[in-house]
Amino acid sequence: DSGVTQTPKHLITATGQRVTLRCSPRSGDLSVYWYQQSLDQGLQFLIQYYNGEERAKGNILERFSAQQFPDLHSELNLSSLELGDSALYFCASSAGRADVYEQYFGPGTRLTVT
Amino acid sequence: AQSVAQPEDQVNVAEGNPLTVKCTYSVSGNPYLFWYVQYPNRGLQFLLKYITGDNLVKGSYGFEAEFNKSQTSFHLKKPSALVSDSALYFCAVSSLTGANNLFFGTGTRLTVIP
Repeated sequence: DSGVTQTPKHLITATGQRVTLRCSPRSGDLSVYWYQQSLDQGLQFLIQYYNGEERAKGNILERFSAQQFPDLHSELNLSSLELGDSALYFCASSAGRADVYEQYFGPGTRLTVT
Repeated sequence: AQSVAQPEDQVNVAEGNPLTVKCTYSVSGNPYLFWYVQYPNRGLQFLLKYITGDNLVKGSYGFEAEFNKSQTSFHLKKPSALVSDSALYFCAVSSLTGANNLFFGTGTRLTVIP
């Protein structure tokens, strides 16, 4: 158990809908990262927050947004969902900077868009 | 720009034999290198990292990796493979002079044959 929790585990929704994925980092970790894992695109970094502030942005679509709250949990919002958004979404946390600190991954949320 | 290449999608090895999973990288500046493992239906787990110092890094579960600056490689190794090592392995790279996030390779599926 990495100490990172993600809810829900599974989500099935229709095209055009909006969903929110939630992540609680390991106790004491200030950085939260979101990743998308799909068969065709592999593991893609979406966005990072550090202590409530956006720190780095990767291949995140404009339809997607995230935030980190004062209690350090984070939410990833996916809107106007398309079939291609079906994937595993992982949250990870680390103590600090991405370049030197290992990341601890949650179990993921499997999103299926029908 | 930062990038990671894992040239083998699949590696098969007999139980008890040594295993190697290959990784090459490209970064501007000094690289920080990581290996992660993903078991079925689980998030990624940190195995080991190279930040600075000794080129041979020892990690979890008996794995080790050798940083080779001239060949820009960071191959993962284990002297004697176990069936339980069968999983998906990801190499990742970052650097102080690059973006503040990890770039992951496409992953190598290791199968250890009993």
